[in-house]
Amino acid sequence: QVHLQESGPGLVKSSETLSLSCTVSGGSISSHYWSWIRQPPGKGLEWIGYIYYSGSTNYNPSLKSRVTISVDTSKNQFSLKLSSVTAADTAVYYCAKVGAIREFDYWGQGTLVTVSS
Amino acid sequence: DIQMTQSPSSVSASLGDRVTFTCRASQGIGSWLAWYQQKPGKAPKLLIYGASSLQSGVPSRFSGSGSGTEFTLTISSLQPEDFATYYCQQANSFPLTFGQGTRLEIK
Repeated sequence: QVHLQESGPGLVKSSETLSLSCTVSGGSISSHYWSWIRQPPGKGLEWIGYIYYSGSTNYNPSLKSRVTISVDTSKNQFSLKLSSVTAADTAVYYCAKVGAIREFDYWGQGTLVTVSS
Repeated sequence: DIQMTQSPSSVSASLGDRVTFTCRASQGIGSWLAWYQQKPGKAPKLLIYGASSLQSGVPSRFSGSGSGTEFTLTISSLQPEDFATYYCQQANSFPLTFGQGTRLEIK
């Protein structure tokens, strides 16, 4: 059973960079796609982007200029960086495994990141 | 971007009821659709992928159907643990997008 766990600061200052990591256990990060998804408080889900274990990426165009997703296979981890954050980036951030039909079959518990002014 | 529209936005139902949710895509997506259940404070849980394939471990009272632009998720007999918010997600093209959700409440 694959398990994902997000980690990182819960508070980020406006205009700074949000940085989160996702540690994968119970399976190898290799040969799969991995994704970040966010959910503002009380709102719906927004796909941020995904990365293949080899390092190839695909980002949501709405965030592409500010997003970097990277992978560290030696640590079985992948990471998210979102630059120049504003209050609109306040959300619960989830990491997830991408299944064969681009469904999200395993999710982390989520971590709330608040952007403060 | 492909827009996903769910209806209704909320619904009230009783234990044992049969409930159907609808998800419409702004353009054809074949069978590239997934359904999720989310309870307050928890991560979404995958229920259905490929429009009609039941994820391992999900009770058989959940079923999905549809293709192209119109999809449905049906719960055949509501159980207490089913009261939650349900989201659809298209996987046909990038960016991957979700519907706004349907909240299922107890009547």
